[in-house]
Amino acid sequence: DAGVIQSPRHEVTEMGQEVTLRCKPISGHNSLFWYRQTMMRGLELLIYFNNNVPIDDSGMPEDRFSAKMPNASFSTLKIQPSEPRDSAVYFCASSSRTETKNIQYFGAGTRLSVL
Amino acid sequence: GDSVTQMEGPVTLSEEAFLTINCTYTATGYPSLFWYVQYPGEGLQLLLKATKADDKGSNKGFEATYRKETTSFHLEKGSVQVSDSAVYFCALSQGAQKLVFGQGTRLTINP
Repeated sequence: DAGVIQSPRHEVTEMGQEVTLRCKPISGHNSLFWYRQTMMRGLELLIYFNNNVPIDDSGMPEDRFSAKMPNASFSTLKIQPSEPRDSAVYFCASSSRTETKNIQYFGAGTRLSVL
Repeated sequence: GDSVTQMEGPVTLSEEAFLTINCTYTATGYPSLFWYVQYPGEGLQLLLKATKADDKGSNKGFEATYRKETTSFHLEKGSVQVSDSAVYFCALSQGAQKLVFGQGTRLTINP
């Protein structure tokens, strides 16, 4: 398997623009997680899905952030409108409760810079 | 709530030195414990895990033992290499698939 695939790897945008980050989980995994990593706050869980259903979105910073998982092989994290403080590395991870006992597999991340 | 506390970094060692990175946790039940490693420019990857008290996880020369009495899961390696330079994260999971991470410890190994 190719692992968790995130796109784009780098995104530079201007304040106020809409940003969409994409994630393809490992085939067969039924859970998907979105994290944000910054120097100041470390690694934060934003939201996670089980079987395409959002389970816990308590980490989503505010209404400007939204996440969807329309099917088992694709998820998006959208920021609208973006702000400079959203600059961070965003990671997607997936896991399977049955096959790999909850071990999370991470993508390479999307580095977002909002100017 | 559940939490994980790691030793403050950064940690700088010479090649072949002995490594310990401390990790303690607070949890109401009996969590599974993990060490993840993040190499520069990459996502996190699992280094080792332990699912119950007194279990020892090991991989690539790294070891950690689940100590319930001290609520600890310290990471050790007998002889580090330059290629071990990375950020190390301790984490726990309580049944649900959600992970609680520590703040990470940056390790630099000098030749």
